[in-house]
Amino acid sequence: QKEVEQNSGPLSVPEGAIASLNCTYSDRGSQSFFWYRQYSGKSPELIMSIYSNGDKEDGRFTAQLNKASQYVSLLIRDSQPSDSATYLCAVSSSGGYNKLIFGAGTRLAVHP
Amino acid sequence: GAGVSQSPSNKVTEKGKDVELRCDPISGHTALYWYRQRLGQGLEFLIYFQGNSAPDKSGLPSDRFSAERTGESVSTLTIQRTQQEDSAVYLCASRYGPDYEQYFGPGTRLTVT
Repeated sequence: QKEVEQNSGPLSVPEGAIASLNCTYSDRGSQSFFWYRQYSGKSPELIMSIYSNGDKEDGRFTAQLNKASQYVSLLIRDSQPSDSATYLCAVSSSGGYNKLIFGAGTRLAVHP
Repeated sequence: GAGVSQSPSNKVTEKGKDVELRCDPISGHTALYWYRQRLGQGLEFLIYFQGNSAPDKSGLPSDRFSAERTGESVSTLTIQRTQQEDSAVYLCASRYGPDYEQYFGPGTRLTVT
């Protein structure tokens, strides 16, 4: 069973701080990794994709990937109350099955 | 460009009735997925279509659930003899191909009374 694990949270951070969200996965053959944000009552929204080891930055968001450790993370700098949401980690299943395996999500709460 | 669209956005139905949910993927996306999300829960994979290949139905919870897709176009998810535990948001997503980003539609909120 290929799995993606995330802490359910809630992760509570003060406004302006860095929020660090973590994800581990079991499928060593996975090649692509995604972070989605889901506000309450809304559908998941893609915020980052990463395919190579290292860091990828987009505005206040940085995705980090370490395939050897089977670990992917999302950093949110200068966290804002509007960042409060559930963050879903998704990992492509290897073997050409074209499926994304989703973690259960980490709930982030940014307090003023 | 246009995103994934779903209809209806909300559906209230009586227990025992059949419902049909529709998904219009992004043009050119060969892969289409259906998920279910119960209140406060994670995404539950239901079924996925890849072009003209046989669909992966491994996530369908019972034989009351079925889905169709013709080629790379619209998909319909049908739930027969609805039960109260079918109440959830049904999400559709599409993807251009392996390793590409997957985009979600706004979902259909189904309430079975």
